Amino acid sequence: GQNIDQPTEMTATEGAIVQINCTYQTSGFNGLFWYQQHAGEAPTFLSYNVLDGLEEKGRFSSFLSRSKGYSYLLLKELQMKDSASYLCAVGSNSGYALNFGKGTSLLVTP
Amino acid sequence: ETGVTQTPRHLVMGMTNKKSLKCEQHLGHNAMYWYKQSAKKPLELMFVYSLEERVENNSVPSRFSPECPNSSHLFLHLHTLQPEDSALYLCASSQYTSNEQFFGPGTRLTVL
Repeated sequence: GQNIDQPTEMTATEGAIVQINCTYQTSGFNGLFWYQQHAGEAPTFLSYNVLDGLEEKGRFSSFLSRSKGYSYLLLKELQMKDSASYLCAVGSNSGYALNFGKGTSLLVTP
Repeated sequence: ETGVTQTPRHLVMGMTNKKSLKCEQHLGHNAMYWYKQSAKKPLELMFVYSLEERVENNSVPSRFSPECPNSSHLFLHLHTLQPEDSALYLCASSQYTSNEQFFGPGTRLTVL
C-alpha cells in the first residue's frame, strides 16, 4: 500500500518562497505528481518526477529523492492566486492508481 | 477548462433514490477514472477503465456502479446511498494509465 504525508496547512507572504514537503512509503513506485486544487475546482497538474532531482517549471519546481521517499514542491514569488490546496500523489506499479496525500492548504497573505 | 466535463455539478438525493453521474472527456484519452473526495481525507480512487474495460475496482460498495460505454464517456450509477457517501466525486482521464490525469470539475453529492 501507500502512506503519503504532507503538512495540513501552511501560510506564506506574497512575494516569498514556500516549500511544501511530501514523504511517502510505498510498495511500488511509478512517479510522483503534484496537483493544485482551488476551492470548488478540479485538481490541475503541476509537475511529475520519476527520476531523482529537481524539475523546474517557471515559478514552480519539484524535487524527488526516491531513496528517501521524499519530494517537495517549491513555489517562488508567491502570488495571492497561489492560495490553494496542493496535492502530492504517487503512481503505483500497476500504472493505474494515483494514491493521493490529504493535501496541503496554502494561504498566501498580503 | 481541462477537457473533462461532469454533470450534474451538484446533486442532492435521498437514500432510496437512483441517480447517475456523467463524465465526458474531449481529449482523446483511453483511460478514465472515478475518485471520491471527502473533507479532511485524501482523494480515493474508486474505479479505473482502460479502453472501456474496468481494470481496477478499489473495494467500492456495490451501491456504486460504474459504466463506460465508450472511451469518451463514463457514468457512475448511484443506488440506496448512505449519508456518509456525501462527497465530491471527481472524474479524470489520461492517455494510457500512467501519465498525467486531467480532472473534471466534480459533482458535489449530498445524500439526505
